[in-house]
This record gives sequence, structure tokens and C-alpha cells, in this order.
Amino acid sequence: ILNVEQSPQSLHVQEGDSTNFTCSFPSSNFYALHWYRWETAKSPEALFVMTLNGDEKKKGRISATLNTKEGYSYLYIKGSQPEDSATYLCAFIGSGYALNFGKGTSLLVTP
Amino acid sequence: EAGVAQSPRYKIIEKRQSVAFWCNPISGHATLYWYQQILGQGPKLLIQFQNNGVVDDSQLPKDRFSAERLKGVDSTLKIQPAKLEDSAVYLCASSLGAAGGPETQYFGPGTRLLVL
Repeated sequence: ILNVEQSPQSLHVQEGDSTNFTCSFPSSNFYALHWYRWETAKSPEALFVMTLNGDEKKKGRISATLNTKEGYSYLYIKGSQPEDSATYLCAFIGSGYALNFGKGTSLLVTP
Repeated sequence: EAGVAQSPRYKIIEKRQSVAFWCNPISGHATLYWYQQILGQGPKLLIQFQNNGVVDDSQLPKDRFSAERLKGVDSTLKIQPAKLEDSAVYLCASSLGAAGGPETQYFGPGTRLLVL
């Protein structure tokens, strides 16, 4: 079992604020890093799969960066909206097959 | 395209009872995964199938949990007998390619199990 840490554990921002979260993972034997968004009572939704050091990916107001040498990824949300409220999970794949998930960052965006 | 289907969505049982969960992956997806997510923790892989063969079941408590994927399509996960600590969300996911790739895993809505 590989140690994946996410911070902060929870976050409360106002509508329109920009925010970011961190995912830390082992820097050795890196294969891929996944980001998911999980809204209450819904299915976790894939946001990004990142494989290369220096990768930057963007989907609307959400973007992510990857640093495999130091073992971290940032997820950014620009101009947060109430519908962005969810738990954001990152998951690391190393030399094995399995996704190793962090505990997630719970985001609440209030109007 | 239909997503990953799971049933039931919610289940409440007493300890020592048995329970089974069902998953229907996205059509054509070779790999199927079962995860357990205990409150306050990230999802943990229980078992991974590629077609109808087991790829990884190292974290499956085999004394009480079992899973099968007959014909390489649907899958069932069973707990017999259940313990209080089995209360969790059980997520099923599938991916198109072979196990171990960086492909996106598509998740179902999960089954929320409460053991009393």
C-alpha cells in the first residue's frame, strides 16, 4: 500500500474564489496520477490522468499540474462555483496495478 | 453510453448476516474493480478482474469476502458473515484496457452498506 497524502482535508470558499489542493505521492516508480471529483450520492467522475513530469491539464475552470520528481500534483479551480462542491480525490499508480487513493479534499463553495 | 451500474444503492443488515452487491460495467470494458471506501478514508482496492480472471485480490479479506465475474461481464461481491467494520461504500469501476494501464477508470454510484 502506497502512501498518498492530500491537503487540505477540507476547504470552504466563497463563490468566485480561486482555490487549489495538493496531492503528494511516492516519487519513485511513478506510472500515473489520476484526479477524480466525487459529488455526494453520485459516481466519482474522472477529471485527469497524468503520466509525464511537467504535465499540465485543463478542463474548463479546473486545471492540474504534475511534478513526478518531487512527488506532488496540484489541482486548481478558478472562480469556484457552488456546483464545484465535492470531494476531490487523487490516486497514484506505481509499479503495481492498483489505484492508491488519498483521503480526498472536501470542497464547499457557498454563494 | 451507459455508465457502470450497481445495485442495490443502499443496504442495512445486522452483523453476521450475508450480503451481495452486483455490478454491470460499461459494455466492452475488459477490467473491473471493486473498491471499499470507509468513511474518512480513500477508496481501497479489494479485487481487480481482467475479463473473468483475477489480477489482484491481495487486499480482499478472503475469510469473509468473495467476488466473481462470470463470463467476463457482470460481477458480484459477497460478504459472509458481515462485521460492523464492513460498513462502507462499495464502489465498482471498469476500464477499457488491460489491468495496470494508466487508463481512466469509470465508477458506478456505489452501494452504501450499514452493518448494525
